[in-house]
Amino acid sequence: EVQLGESGGGLVQPGRSLRLSCAASGFTFSDYAMHWVRQAPGKGLEWVSSISWSSTSVDYADSVKGRFSISRDNAKSSLYLQMDSLRGDDTAIYYCAKDRIAAGGFTFDSWGQGTLVTVSS
Amino acid sequence: EIVLTQSPATLSLSPGERATLSCRASQSVGNYLAWYQQKNGQAPRLLIYDTFNRATGVPARFRGSGSGTDFTLTISGLEPDDFAVYYCQQRSNWPTFGPGTKVDI
Repeated sequence: EVQLGESGGGLVQPGRSLRLSCAASGFTFSDYAMHWVRQAPGKGLEWVSSISWSSTSVDYADSVKGRFSISRDNAKSSLYLQMDSLRGDDTAIYYCAKDRIAAGGFTFDSWGQGTLVTVSS
Repeated sequence: EIVLTQSPATLSLSPGERATLSCRASQSVGNYLAWYQQKNGQAPRLLIYDTFNRATGVPARFRGSGSGTDFTLTISGLEPDDFAVYYCQQRSNWPTFGPGTKVDI
């Protein structure tokens, strides 16, 4: 069974940084592209960032480009999101999601339970 | 950016009834359209991918259809567990989600 578990969320002041982690199990992590998707309180879903299985390809939504950085450690089956220069509109639940296919195709077939990031002074 | 519009915003139905949810794209997404179910306080769950393919474990009462810019998710014979918010998502370009349709009693 695929399991994804996010951690690292919390309350942070505007302009500060936070690093999210996602621990994966139940599948061959190194074979799949991985993603971060967020959901502001009471709002819809927004794709944030993606990384290929080999880390050679990374993508970001315009709203976070230049501020967020995605990475992975296949040896540890872990995904990360470094978030810098945080703003109030970054407040959201951040979900780690697995791609449906190994090559990566932006269909999110498994999700973690999410970690809440609150940006406020 | 491809914008997805979902209608209606809320669908009030009873168990056993049929639900028909619509998703419209601002430009063609081919067949690259997925549907997710999200219950209160839970993570989204993939139901349908590439327009009509059911994800593993998804009951046959969930059916996806459409192409290009107009897509439909049909739930035949609503069960109590189906009352939730449903999002469509395209992957033709950078992924975007619709605003959701809430199916409630």
